[in-house]
Amino acid sequence: DAGVIQSPRHEVTEMGQEVTLRCKPISGHNSLFWYRQTMMRGLELLIYFNNNVPIDDSGMPEDRFSAKMPNASFSTLKIQPSEPRDSAVYFCASSSGRESYNEQFFGPGTRLTVL
Amino acid sequence: DQQVKQNSPSLSVQEGRISILNCDYTNSMFDYFLWYKKYPAEGPTFLISISSIKDKNEDGRFTVFLNKSAKHLSLHIVPSQPGDSAVYFCAARYTGNQFYFGTGTSLTVIP
Repeated sequence: DAGVIQSPRHEVTEMGQEVTLRCKPISGHNSLFWYRQTMMRGLELLIYFNNNVPIDDSGMPEDRFSAKMPNASFSTLKIQPSEPRDSAVYFCASSSGRESYNEQFFGPGTRLTVL
Repeated sequence: DQQVKQNSPSLSVQEGRISILNCDYTNSMFDYFLWYKKYPAEGPTFLISISSIKDKNEDGRFTVFLNKSAKHLSLHIVPSQPGDSAVYFCAARYTGNQFYFGTGTSLTVIP
């Protein structure tokens, strides 16, 4: 298996532009997570899907952030409009969701820079 | 509100010596704890875990200790190797599959 796939790996954009980050989870995994990594807060959970349904989006910072999971093999995180303070590394992770196996598998991340 | 805290942002250890990474948590309902390791430009990868019903779990050079009364978790690496140089994240879970991560500790093992 190729693991969790994220694209793009790097994104540089200007303030006010729309940014879309993409994630393909590991086949067969039914839970998907979006995290943001910053120096101050470490890895913050933004939103969590189970069987394509958003379970907890309390970590989404503002209405400028939205996430979708139209099917089991694809998810997007959109920021519109983007701001310089959104600059961070965004990770997608997936897991099988079984209680006995709780490991989350992370993608390589998307480094976002908003100028 | 950070429920999982790693108060040491960095740690340097000589090769062959013990590395001890610490983690504190505030939620007594957490029932499962994990350590993840992250190299630059890569995603975190799972290292070792421990259930709240145990106080120690060992896997080769890595041992995780859990002190529930102190709400404290530690990762011991013995002996430390240069390839262990990475950022280590502590994580905790109390419901479903939602994990709460710390801010990470950057470990440097000096050859």
